[in-house]
Amino acid sequence: QVQLVQSGAEVKKPGASLKVSCKPSGFTFTSYGFNWVRQAPGRGLEWMGWISAFNNNTNYAQEFHERLTMTTDRATNTAYMELRSLRFDDTAVYYCARGGAILPRDVSDIWGQGTLVTVSS
Amino acid sequence: QSLLTQPPSASGTPGQRVTISCSGTASNIGSNTVNWYRHLPGAAPKLLIYNNDKRPSGVPDRFSGSKSGTSGSLTISGLQSEDESDYFCAAWDDSRTGFWVFGGGTKVTVL
Repeated sequence: QVQLVQSGAEVKKPGASLKVSCKPSGFTFTSYGFNWVRQAPGRGLEWMGWISAFNNNTNYAQEFHERLTMTTDRATNTAYMELRSLRFDDTAVYYCARGGAILPRDVSDIWGQGTLVTVSS
Repeated sequence: QSLLTQPPSASGTPGQRVTISCSGTASNIGSNTVNWYRHLPGAAPKLLIYNNDKRPSGVPDRFSGSKSGTSGSLTISGLQSEDESDYFCAAWDDSRTGFWVFGGGTKVTVL
């Protein structure tokens, strides 16, 4: 079964770092890239960036460029999204989605179930 | 704020046709294709239409898509009760270094 399984919900304090994992099953990890998208309460979807599991190229949204790092681990076939210096408005559901291996503009066809992140003091 | 504009809601009775619009700009829908997703609360979004009008394997043919200029649309023909859900559109935007933009979502209610 083709799916993406994300890590569980987290509660973080302002200023802390967050690392969410995305583990695919049912397809070859290095044949794809992974987009990360978030949705804050009452707001629309917001693209954060893309990483290729094929060549580790990345493309980050300008808004997150200074706080965001996306990585992949070929040993465990897992994609990671790390967001630093968390703020209250980073509270959101974070999704990973399977995309193109070479270009970030390729369609995301499979999405993970989402990871709820709450930033609270 | 979503960069693609969708109506917040749409509705129809079983068997009717419902069309959802998605309005963008020259740098996103005007230059690239539109994808459509269904999103049930708490679940993973599901791809319904890609490249404006293509259906992935397993998606019923009552779902169809089209694009004209800077707008796309999703049509559900022969509405069924299980089609009650949120639907959102997505397109690549060529501005800056490029990024994905999404619609705010349309809640479809089956009356």
